[in-house]
Amino acid sequence: QVQLVESGGGVVQPGRSLRLSCAASGFTFSSYGMHWVRQAPGKGLEWVAVISHDGSNKYYADSVKGRFTISRDISKNTVYLQMNSLRAEDTAVFYCAKDIAETTWGGASFDIWGQGTMVTVSS
Amino acid sequence: DIQMTQSPSTLSASVGDRVTITCRASQSISSWLAWYQQKPGKAPKLLIYKASSLESGVPSRFSGSGSGTEFTLTISSLQPDDFATYYCQHCHNYPYTFGQGTKLEIK
Repeated sequence: QVQLVESGGGVVQPGRSLRLSCAASGFTFSSYGMHWVRQAPGKGLEWVAVISHDGSNKYYADSVKGRFTISRDISKNTVYLQMNSLRAEDTAVFYCAKDIAETTWGGASFDIWGQGTMVTVSS
Repeated sequence: DIQMTQSPSTLSASVGDRVTITCRASQSISSWLAWYQQKPGKAPKLLIYKASSLESGVPSRFSGSGSGTEFTLTISSLQPDDFATYYCQHCHNYPYTFGQGTKLEIK
């Protein structure tokens, strides 16, 4: 079935780095844009980043621009989020999510979400 | 960036009630709006896309309407499984943003 499975979360000190992975299955990974969305404990949802179906376009929320990098490996059906210079305010559950429409850039909601991976930034 | 404002923040209702949640965008987003349901400890679930299109498998008691800057999510007859937090999200352009959420509680 269609599935996204995140991994890579954990506890990290401020200023350090962490890389999240999201393994996709059950759909043609190379046809869909992919996103990362986060949720701080007890708070709402915050969109973080997007990568287009072919990896040629990326966009970031201002809160992570210059610190986070999204990428994808089509051969592994996996999308990544490299997080550098982590701050306490980055503490959150990170979800990956799939565009509902193929080969679109913008204008698409998220029809499939992973279960989330927790990132805690603390000394 | 486009700001999304939901109201109310909390809604108390009973099984069988008809409830409406409102979402306003700070500028026109045409029909590029989605609604999600989230239960504690779980990932969000897509309910409505393009303002009024029902996602496959979602019960027909959920409906969405609106365009431009004002949108609504309506649940026609609340069921016990519907008590959750609901978020709107625009997908007009990047960066996408979510509303702050509406917690639907049992009265």
